[in-house]
Amino acid sequence: GAVVSQHPSRVICKSGTSVKIECRSLDFQATTMFWYRQFPKQSLMLMATSNEGSKATYEQGVEKDKFLINHASLTLSTLTVTSAHPEDSSFYICSAADRGIGDTQYFGPGTRLTVL
Amino acid sequence: AQTVTQSQPEMSVQEAETVTLSCTYDTSESDYYLFWYKQPPSRQMILVIRQEAYKQQNATENRFSVNFQKAAKSFSLKISDSQLGDAAMYFCAYSFYNTDKLIFGTGTRLQVFP
Repeated sequence: GAVVSQHPSRVICKSGTSVKIECRSLDFQATTMFWYRQFPKQSLMLMATSNEGSKATYEQGVEKDKFLINHASLTLSTLTVTSAHPEDSSFYICSAADRGIGDTQYFGPGTRLTVL
Repeated sequence: AQTVTQSQPEMSVQEAETVTLSCTYDTSESDYYLFWYKQPPSRQMILVIRQEAYKQQNATENRFSVNFQKAAKSFSLKISDSQLGDAAMYFCAYSFYNTDKLIFGTGTRLQVFP
């Protein structure tokens, strides 16, 4: 149980284009999902908290117009990187909290974004 | 603000031996959760063990156990009978009760030698 999928696993795009990343909880309902960014050999940096049916809460320093988050259902959250630039290249990871197991977060496999 | 500190950037252990990874945290809260996550080269974050702060008993999961010292704000992970597959980055994390939001330490890279 407690499986989170993420799609795509890798994406390469041109500068100026937008990229959408999907995060799904496969076997549980997640009222809250999280989006992280991880640079090479560094820890995870929380970007935003996504709540089903409401606006996402962004961490300080994260541009909400650059990183659009939509949590349309209890099993799906999407992160759209708009007008991507090379500095947006990174590893993006989502997670979902299974409240049935007391605040434990389960992570997707991550998406490697490369902006040319 | 809550912070999590992992003072060991790298650790190494011989296969079948025991290793302990350190983690300290700072919080003024009394109810919270603590976690150890493993990130192997695939970069998939895997939950290793979790501890509720209100529980005095240390959590264990097979070869993994923790030494939770609430007063000292210390949460170390002990890996017994180390295996080659244990080689990974290990992150200690804190979550305030009922917020779900995780605060991660900087990680400890564990190498396992045959």
